[in-house]
Amino acid sequence: SAVISQKPSRDICQRGTSLTIQCQVDSQVTMMFWYRQQPGQSLTLIATANQGSEATYESGFVIDKFPISRPNLTFSTLTVSNMSPEDSSIYLCSVELSYEQYFGPGTRLTVT
Amino acid sequence: AQSVTQLDSQVPVFEEAPVELRCNYSSSVSVYLFWYVQYPNQGLQLLLKYLSGSTLVESINGFEAEFNKSQTSFHLRKPSVHISDTAEYFCAVRPMGGATNKLIFGTGTLLAVQP
Repeated sequence: SAVISQKPSRDICQRGTSLTIQCQVDSQVTMMFWYRQQPGQSLTLIATANQGSEATYESGFVIDKFPISRPNLTFSTLTVSNMSPEDSSIYLCSVELSYEQYFGPGTRLTVT
Repeated sequence: AQSVTQLDSQVPVFEEAPVELRCNYSSSVSVYLFWYVQYPNQGLQLLLKYLSGSTLVESINGFEAEFNKSQTSFHLRKPSVHISDTAEYFCAVRPMGGATNKLIFGTGTLLAVQP
């Protein structure tokens, strides 16, 4: 299994600002994933982050809005840029080990 | 492409009653199947998975799910629920092979256990 931590656990931000979310894993992994869970809804994949290459974004998500860094095999960041109230969600990172995905506790973001 | 359907957005049930949470999927390729649970104000936890072998898989807390390939279903069952089972349950699939490891989630089913 994998133990994943995220910072911050929650934040309240003003419209137009940016927030960077950190994800730390206790083992080295090739791929890390970033998901969004909007209030009362399911999880949607934002992007897949491989160490040493550009992140791959899903349809509807763009790098200018959600830039991702992956400096090493245990760490990644997701930035939510120029936030609006529609960005209020839980953001989760995950990793896959032996076909199982493990999730971090999530970052609960509220944009006012 | 893959999709996952959880027809029941909410399932109310009395404590000690049996429950079934339905999950159907659509995929042009073979998939791995998963059930995740999200307790109130907590993160997502893997409940059980089907990768290969026996089509009936079990969790440590009494849940089981059966993979039915012909009906493309992976329903979750428990013979007797507890108050502590109250949570959101998500069914998910992941394509076998290919270039992507991403999970495709259903919309979730809220299991509300009442005393």
